[in-house]
Amino acid sequence: GNSVTQMEGPVTLSEEAFLTINCTYTATGYPSLFWYVQYPGEGLQLLLKATKADDKGSNKGFEATYRKETTSFHLEKGSVQVSDSAVYFCAAAKAAGNKLTFGGGTRVLVKP
Amino acid sequence: NAGVTQTPKFRILKIGQSMTLQCTQDMNHNYMYWYRQDPGMGLKLIYYSVGAGITDKGEVPNGYNVSRSTTEDFPLRLELAAPSQTSVYFCASSSGQITDTQYFGPGTRLTVL
Repeated sequence: GNSVTQMEGPVTLSEEAFLTINCTYTATGYPSLFWYVQYPGEGLQLLLKATKADDKGSNKGFEATYRKETTSFHLEKGSVQVSDSAVYFCAAAKAAGNKLTFGGGTRVLVKP
Repeated sequence: NAGVTQTPKFRILKIGQSMTLQCTQDMNHNYMYWYRQDPGMGLKLIYYSVGAGITDKGEVPNGYNVSRSTTEDFPLRLELAAPSQTSVYFCASSSGQITDTQYFGPGTRLTVL
């Protein structure tokens, strides 16, 4: 089955710093890849996704590129804000049942 | 448009008690899921359903039961609650395509003492 590994947090940054969160996956076939974000006290919401190799997902200044060669889907943002403080989850979707396999989550704290 | 709603938001149970976590979606999605999130961990799939009357086990189904009598509702039943079931429970739904987003409810925080 699928497995997803992402860098452990917490990651603490100053406002306007560059953010990278590494994510790698193992899967049979070509899963769809997702980044979900969880703000304090809330459920998960989709941040961005990519459904095939070399696709780039982007939203709210965040980007991630589906790299089949390195089985990676790293999340980046060029200039973070305090409002980006959250837990970020990388996930891979399995075709049967569209079941998601999540990474362990990375907590990001942005300080003013 | 309410999306995915869950009740209750919080609950404390004693060991051995039972309860049902409710989940309703108004997006006419065929696929629905229950996950648990333990502190500092990712989400693990408990059960899922691909349509009314059809359910299947996920990674961690022991101690739980589900039913799906309508498209909208997907309740999760805990029988004989144990401290190991202390967690935050999330319900989600999607239209079922591998490329589709899953939409999550706000979660139920359950403590078993």
